Amino acid sequence: SQTIHQWPATLVQPVGSPLSLECTVEGTSNPNLYWYRQAAGRGLQLLFYSVGIGQISSEVPQNLSASRPQDRQFILSSKKLLLSDSGFYLCAWGAGAFFGQGTRLTVV
Amino acid sequence: GNSVTQMEGPVTLSEEAFLTINCTYTATGYPSLFWYVQYPGEGLQLLLKATKADDKGSNKGFEATYRKETTSFHLEKGSVQVSDSAVYFCALNNNAGNMLTFGGGTRLMVKP
Repeated sequence: SQTIHQWPATLVQPVGSPLSLECTVEGTSNPNLYWYRQAAGRGLQLLFYSVGIGQISSEVPQNLSASRPQDRQFILSSKKLLLSDSGFYLCAWGAGAFFGQGTRLTVV
Repeated sequence: GNSVTQMEGPVTLSEEAFLTINCTYTATGYPSLFWYVQYPGEGLQLLLKATKADDKGSNKGFEATYRKETTSFHLEKGSVQVSDSAVYFCALNNNAGNMLTFGGGTRLMVKP
């Protein structure tokens, strides 16, 4: 069966520090992968999606970047975090049919 | 472009009450429609979906019917439980882009 792993579950980082969130999927090959962000009290916003290794599309301009070094690995990064980067980050595959458990990021 | 509009919450109900959460959409083409549920502190779980007009998605007592004429996909449950307390998201997938567009979410609170 397909599973999706996302870590860490929670993260507190100071402003200006780097970020790396990792998402991996199992039980499928060549999945479409997605990063969403849910700001406090708001809906989900698509940040990035990837249809294959090295292929990244960005939906909104921001302080974040994404990479797909392997078929089933999707990484969300930042060189310098901003306060506004705080939120709940969700990885998904298969057009969102399956979501990871999410990472709650607090930038202080 | 695509958009999804949900009724704003919170929706507060007593146990065993009837639930309706409204969802309407705007999309090009023929989207698939979804309802997701997010329990406190967790990620999203797919609750139900419908892929074409007049389809009814159902799961765990929840139902939603794809109404193309009214561009709606309202979520209903005949008798809610305290354990149904969560945030519910309506979403569409326009297939061409193969990505989800979400509504703003509706928080449901069920009191015993």
